[in-house]
Amino acid sequence: DVKVTQSSRYLVKRTGEKVFLECVQDMDHENMFWYRQDPGLGLRLIYFSYDVKMKEKGDIPEGYSVSREKKERFSLILESASTNQTSMYLCASRGLAGEMFFGPGTRLTVL
Amino acid sequence: KNQVEQSPQSLIILEGKNCTLQCNYTVSPFSNLRWYKQDTGRGPVSLTIMTFSENTKSNGRYTATLDADTKQSSLHITASQLSDSASYICVVTTQNQAGTALIFGKGTTLSVSS
Repeated sequence: DVKVTQSSRYLVKRTGEKVFLECVQDMDHENMFWYRQDPGLGLRLIYFSYDVKMKEKGDIPEGYSVSREKKERFSLILESASTNQTSMYLCASRGLAGEMFFGPGTRLTVL
Repeated sequence: KNQVEQSPQSLIILEGKNCTLQCNYTVSPFSNLRWYKQDTGRGPVSLTIMTFSENTKSNGRYTATLDADTKQSSLHITASQLSDSASYICVVTTQNQAGTALIFGKGTTLSVSS
């Protein structure tokens, strides 16, 4: 089974803190994604990566950056967390067959 | 504009009853359509995938239909169970200049009560 893991299920941070969300997949997928999910808005794509050291902006990249130093790991970085970044963050990876596999999510609260 | 609309937004049914969730899309070009189930506090998990030529696909008590002409899909749940309480998300895959893109619906929240 494909497994996508995220470093934390729940995270509470203060405004202005730098936040790292880690995601690891074990199926050698090239494509990895970060989404945020908010009530009434559904999933929105923040950033994605097609290969190591490659990154592309999604629909809402402002306030975020990413890092893909290794194929299996895709990190989402909030340089200076703000309250409007309180959300559920979902990491996903996609194989050649096209199916998306999601991690369990990280519920981030910024106070 | 590529969009995926789901209805209803939320639904409450009694255990054992059937229900149908709807997904209408205006996505072009169309590659495939997936239904995901997302339990509270968890990531989405794929239920079915349908390509252009497929009309019906089942996964246990879940049956998805696709009408590519009218650009509509439905997810039918038979003999609902408490564990079916979740959000169900319709996702359409398309191709654009950047490659493959996924268009997400906002989901239908299903609550099954005893």
